[in-house]
Formats: sequence, structure tokens, C-alpha cells
Amino acid sequence: DTGVSQNPRHKITKRGQNVTFRCDPISEHNRLYWYRQTLGQGPEFLTYFQNEAQLEKSRLLSDRFSAERPKGSFSTLEIQRTEQGDSAMYLCAMGGSYEQYFGPGTRLTVT
Amino acid sequence: AQSVTQLDSQVPVFEEAPVELRCNYSSSVSVYLFWYVQYPNQGLQLLLKYLSGSTLVESINGFEAEFNKSQTSFHLRKPSVHISDTAEYFCAVSEGASKIIFGSGTRLSIRP
Repeated sequence: DTGVSQNPRHKITKRGQNVTFRCDPISEHNRLYWYRQTLGQGPEFLTYFQNEAQLEKSRLLSDRFSAERPKGSFSTLEIQRTEQGDSAMYLCAMGGSYEQYFGPGTRLTVT
Repeated sequence: AQSVTQLDSQVPVFEEAPVELRCNYSSSVSVYLFWYVQYPNQGLQLLLKYLSGSTLVESINGFEAEFNKSQTSFHLRKPSVHISDTAEYFCAVSEGASKIIFGSGTRLSIRP
């Protein structure tokens, strides 16, 4: 158990709909990360928070994607107007000293 | 920019045989190196890490990796694999507390 929970675990949505994922760290960590993993690939970095401040965003994070961490604890990732290319596993991770600990992920399928 | 190359997308080996999963990285600064493992239908787990000090690092289940700065490599090895080692293995690099860059993964399949 990495101490990171993600909900929902699976989400099926129709193209054009909005979806929101949630990440809850069980223990206190300053740094929280979002990654996306498609089939046959390693995770790709999306964005990163230190406490409630969003410090870095990947160019993969188009304007349809938004992430928040309002109180420096849990975080949400919203995708607006979903496209079939958004189908992937979305991973949340908490930062240790240098390594990161990953949650189980939310698998998104856009039909 | 950082990048990670895992040359082998799949590595089939027989049970109790040795295995090496290759990883090369590129970075312009000092790096921290990791191997993560993803067992079937499970999340990513940290297998081992190199931060500083001894270039040979070990995991609790018998894997080891050696940091070779001159060859920019961090290959993962195990002298004798078990069926339970069947998984996808990801090599990764970071420059600090920011993002981790992952390789594309190597699927290790163990034949009885």
C-alpha cells in the first residue's frame, strides 16, 4: 500500500463529456504529481503540485485539462470535452525525498 | 532534456535463469535513477533507487542495478528469476524533486 487512493478506479464516458478524477493521499506529503499511461508505454508526466501551488505543467496538458489541489491535500484532475485520445490510465503520485509513490490509477475509456 | 531508453520491449527467460533488463539514460546534470515494477493488474511499485553513494543498489527480492556514469546506464539484473517476477519493469530518471521521466518498459515473461 503506497498510501495513495484514487477514485473512481474505472470511468467510461462518451466523447464530449467532462470527467473528474480524485486523488487522496493517506499520509501528508508536500508534492503531488499526475501522470498518464497509455497501453504499452511508460507513464508520462502531466503536472505537479507543491502544497496547493501548481509548479509545473507538461505540454501534454492541453487547455481541456485542469488540475487543482485546493487545500494542499487531495487533488482533482478534470478533463473537459473528452476525446477518444484521452483514453488512458491516469496516475497520481506522492513525492518522497526523491522517489515517488503511485496510486492504483483511474482507467478512463472514452467511447 | 532527460530521456530514458529501454532497448528491449520484451524479455522471455526460463525460470531460475539469470536476467538483465537494459536501461540507458541521457541528462545534462546529476540524476537520480529508479526501477519501478508493475505486476499484472497492479499499480506501479518502486523496486529500487540510486540517489548517491554506492553505484550498486539492491531490492528486497533479489534484483540489483548498477549505476554506470560513463556509459549512462542503469541495467537491472537478477541471478535467478522466479515465476512471480513476471511483470513490466520501467526504468526512470529524475533531476530532483520534480517530474520523473520513464522509459517505455520491458515486459519480463518467465517460462517454467
